[in-house]
Amino acid sequence: NAGVTQTPKFRILKIGQSMTLQCTQDMNHNYMYWYRQDPGMGLKLIYYSVGAGITDKGEVPNGYNVSRSTTEDFPLRLELAAPSQTSVYFCASSYSWDRATEAFFGQGTRLTVV
Amino acid sequence: RKEVEQDPGPFNVPEGATVAFNCTYSNSASQSFFWYRQDCRKEPKLLMSVYSSGNEDGRFTAQLNRASQYISLLIRDSKLSDSATYLCVVNSGRYGGSQGNLIFGKGTKLSVKP
Repeated sequence: NAGVTQTPKFRILKIGQSMTLQCTQDMNHNYMYWYRQDPGMGLKLIYYSVGAGITDKGEVPNGYNVSRSTTEDFPLRLELAAPSQTSVYFCASSYSWDRATEAFFGQGTRLTVV
Repeated sequence: RKEVEQDPGPFNVPEGATVAFNCTYSNSASQSFFWYRQDCRKEPKLLMSVYSSGNEDGRFTAQLNRASQYISLLIRDSKLSDSATYLCVVNSGRYGGSQGNLIFGKGTKLSVKP
């Protein structure tokens, strides 16, 4: 029962470096999401995807890019890391968009940009 | 008015206490409602869905008032293990959009003390 798997769990980046946060799910969910969570600020949606080949911007997409070449994988790319991107990142997936269905979350990636 | 608003907390209660969390939402088109639990430094996990008729799961009772656009979560006989942040989550009721389909409240932190 893997569910949603994120890697890495922790990462320290220097300003200007790039990295990709990996996310994969084995539940055959069409809908996948990337959130960031800052202390006391709740979850903010970065990007989401409604199926392979289809992605759309969320509330805070600047500084990030995504791709969805397969149903299972939804990587998040940071091109030029900035201190403002220090956060905890969660990938999630769900079976449906509009029905009473739960979203399953990965364990999160703690990213620090110094 | 924010889309999903919760009690700011934190709530500090003794073991055995009854504690109630409140949440209001602004979008009358929303159809699905949830309470998620997030332990410290962990990912959010579904605690329970909220149905129009109200629902109960052991010590937990969720209520929905569509007319007032209000959701509640009651925890009876609280345990040390109930200590966590409780997130009110509402389906946006629309396709697309920068907030995606699930709108998260900022959460209310609960600490249960011996």
